[in-house]
Amino acid sequence: DSGVTQTPKHLITATGQRVTLRCSPRSGDLSVYWYQQSLDQGLQFLIQYYNGEERAKGNILERFSAQQFPDLHSELNLSSLELGDSALYFCASSVLQAQGVNEQFFGPGTRLTVL
Amino acid sequence: DAKTTQPNSMESNEEEPVHLPCNHSTISGTDYIHWYRQLPSQGPEYVIHGLTSNVNNRMASLAIAEDRKSSTLILHRATLRDAAVYYCILRGNFGNEKLTFGTGTRLTIIP
Repeated sequence: DSGVTQTPKHLITATGQRVTLRCSPRSGDLSVYWYQQSLDQGLQFLIQYYNGEERAKGNILERFSAQQFPDLHSELNLSSLELGDSALYFCASSVLQAQGVNEQFFGPGTRLTVL
Repeated sequence: DAKTTQPNSMESNEEEPVHLPCNHSTISGTDYIHWYRQLPSQGPEYVIHGLTSNVNNRMASLAIAEDRKSSTLILHRATLRDAAVYYCILRGNFGNEKLTFGTGTRLTIIP
């Protein structure tokens, strides 16, 4: 158990719909990352937040957005869903310090199926 | 981000050492070499990282070539639980924390 929790575990929805994925980081971790894992694209970095502020952006579609709340939990919002958005979505967290490995701890993921 | 090259798959017998290679010829002086693995149906987990010197921890050892253009993850005594996809990732430290995953090496352990 990494200490990172994600809900829900599974999500099945239809094209055009909007969903919200939730992540609670490990206690004490200020940085949260979102990754998408699909069969054709592999594991891809989407976005990173640090203490409520966006810190880095990767291959995140405009239909997707994220935020990190004052209690440090994060939500990834996916809208106008398409079949190709079906994937595993992982959240990770890290301490984030100037010194140290800044190891990322991954949650168990949310499996999104768009029908 | 600098690219890494790993074999798509490897097999090893249980209780034998496993050497997982990674080439990273375009590594920059500030890139750390990180290894993560992803067990079936789980999120990735950190294994080990290094900069220039060889590193050991409870999970594995990391051997880094003198020119830093390649590295090898060593599992000293593979168990069935080590069957996973292993990712070699180059990453800066503070200021560039995202992980750029390649295709990794799928390690199969033969009982």
